[in-house]
Amino acid sequence: GAVVSQHPSRVICKSGTSVKIECRSLDFQATTMFWYRQFPKQSLMLMATSNEGSKATYEQGVEKDKFLINHASLTLSTLTVTSAHPEDSSFYICSAREGREDTEAFFGQGTRLTVV
Amino acid sequence: LAKTTQPISMDSYEGQEVNITCSHNNIATNDYITWYQQFPSQGPRFIIQGYKTKVTNEVASLFIPADRKSSTLSLPRVSLSDTAVYYCLVGDLLIDYKLSFGAGTTVTVRA
Repeated sequence: GAVVSQHPSRVICKSGTSVKIECRSLDFQATTMFWYRQFPKQSLMLMATSNEGSKATYEQGVEKDKFLINHASLTLSTLTVTSAHPEDSSFYICSAREGREDTEAFFGQGTRLTVV
Repeated sequence: LAKTTQPISMDSYEGQEVNITCSHNNIATNDYITWYQQFPSQGPRFIIQGYKTKVTNEVASLFIPADRKSSTLSLPRVSLSDTAVYYCLVGDLLIDYKLSFGAGTTVTVRA
């Protein structure tokens, strides 16, 4: 299957700083990418949908000014957690699909963010 | 998106067949059924997808009855490495492929 790569896989940052997570589709062009957050022993929660060249669509309850999403190219989307706090510590996962209606979404390996 | 209901957990032993049933009573005409597998601290991995009847690949089989209000993921001859969380998702691929994950089923395979 297609490969979606996230970087970094783990990051520890100080409270109040910002962290950028990258999501790349390595062997296909992703017109749509999705960002999820997963707390321990819980399911994935969709945070936002980003479409190449346009603004991201955020799910209800997700602060767009805190979680900045940029999808500037067909192979790269970034999620920036601004002014991170300990409660933002979580597992962040991106997924991407090629754009054809009949293709499944492929997921990155996830990024473990710990805010201290 | 159609809401799905799955068992919280299932236990099995190596070599057995595991069947996980997912209920989706409000599935819409254009909705597809997709199953994902997730290991701890990893992103979900696509297992299988179907619309009706039966779909089989090298990993699993998906059985969908005629009314499509449920589906069953069948994992043949499981091994310890199949211990994971399995998610059933239902969505319209043609309009909006936002994947909404339910609680999933934690499958534990024992020796």
